[in-house]
Amino acid sequence: LAKTTQPISMDSYEGQEVNITCSHNNIATNDYITWYQQFPSQGPRFIIQGYKTKVTNEVASLFIPADRKSSTLSLPRVSLSDTAVYYCLVALASYNTDKLIFGTGTRLQVFP
Amino acid sequence: DSGVTQTPKHLITATGQRVTLRCSPRSGDLSVYWYQQSLDQGLQFLIQYYNGEERAKGNILERFSAQQFPDLHSELNLSSLELGDSALYFCASSVEVTGGGYTFGSGTRLTVV
Repeated sequence: LAKTTQPISMDSYEGQEVNITCSHNNIATNDYITWYQQFPSQGPRFIIQGYKTKVTNEVASLFIPADRKSSTLSLPRVSLSDTAVYYCLVALASYNTDKLIFGTGTRLQVFP
Repeated sequence: DSGVTQTPKHLITATGQRVTLRCSPRSGDLSVYWYQQSLDQGLQFLIQYYNGEERAKGNILERFSAQQFPDLHSELNLSSLELGDSALYFCASSVEVTGGGYTFGSGTRLTVV
């Protein structure tokens, strides 16, 4: 199973772009990369998912290099409400063994 | 509302007791996952069920057990509770296998005193 490594914490200011990188050196061919956001005492919320290259949705972009050993979540123009813990997850896309192994997450603090 | 319903939201019980946490997955989802999150800790994967069958097991203690019923709701049973079992317990669901596109419930906060 792929193990992920993320920075423990990051600070930013409102209006800035934030990039959080996750390392997953042992990613397998069938693994997808998914990012979640979690506020205190709430369940994680799906942000974005990708397999390779670049994925963009209304809240974030996900950049995945060709070797797929890392990925970067990009949050454009963060606001105070983006203060949360962000988890990178590498999950097996296997029909029979689907496991969710979360890493320690990155605690993002956005200042005014 | 994520569509995943967990009850109760809060639970306070004494050491040595047994409790049952309930999860109703999002409509149409066949897989249910259970996670434990202690204070300021990460999410620990406990167990997964798919359409009534156990599919994957994580760091689940022998004192804990789970099942998924024909209507797809799931229950997590915690017995011989210890102080260290105090945590948030989350349930997540997915249709089947999409490589991580899971929907989480709002959790059950268990306090063992």
